[in-house]
Amino acid sequence: ETGVTQTPRHLVMGMTNKKSLKCEQHLGHNAMYWYKQSAKKPLELMFVYSLEERVENNSVPSRFSPECPNSSHLFLHLHTLQPEDSALYLCASSQDSSRGDNEKLFFGSGTQLSVL
Amino acid sequence: GIQVEQSPPDLILQEGANSTLRCNFSDSVNNLQWFHQNPWGQLINLFYIPSGTKQNGRLSATTVATERYSLLYISSSQTTDSGVYFCAVPSGAGSYQLTFGKGTKLSVIP
Repeated sequence: ETGVTQTPRHLVMGMTNKKSLKCEQHLGHNAMYWYKQSAKKPLELMFVYSLEERVENNSVPSRFSPECPNSSHLFLHLHTLQPEDSALYLCASSQDSSRGDNEKLFFGSGTQLSVL
Repeated sequence: GIQVEQSPPDLILQEGANSTLRCNFSDSVNNLQWFHQNPWGQLINLFYIPSGTKQNGRLSATTVATERYSLLYISSSQTTDSGVYFCAVPSGAGSYQLTFGKGTKLSVIP
């Protein structure tokens, strides 16, 4: 148990569906992250929030929409996804020293997403 | 951007054997982390080790920052050690983003 909980563990959706992934951390951290892990590719950062503000936003298609209502919760809203979006989506949190490059990350168990 | 290379890509061990995994990185970094991803996808942070040596049970890690590499030692391996081991470093000064290596897939057989 890492203190970071993700739901659901598995999700199958059609390309026209709208769904949301949820992440909750119980570590008192101030930064939260979404990472994507595709088969045979390194983990890729999608979004980072520090104190509920987005601080880094890599080139992620607009069909992925993050939401951070408070420092303990993070959502990833999904709509009109493509089959190539099928992947393991991992949430992480860190203490947040505001510097960014010395954070120790704690990951959730991930949501395995399949887009049909 | 910074490059991270891990070796070997695959490793098969008999239970009880020892092993060393290597992580090379192309630029100076403020921190380096080792993670273990179990067969169910869970990523566990094993070490946060910008330099020096740390030990945690049967695992230990050493980072030589000046020579841009880190080593992860696994002693007396167990089947529960199976999975993929990743190292990761910050993508740039001040960046929250980590650059991950491609990982070493370890299989420990009874």
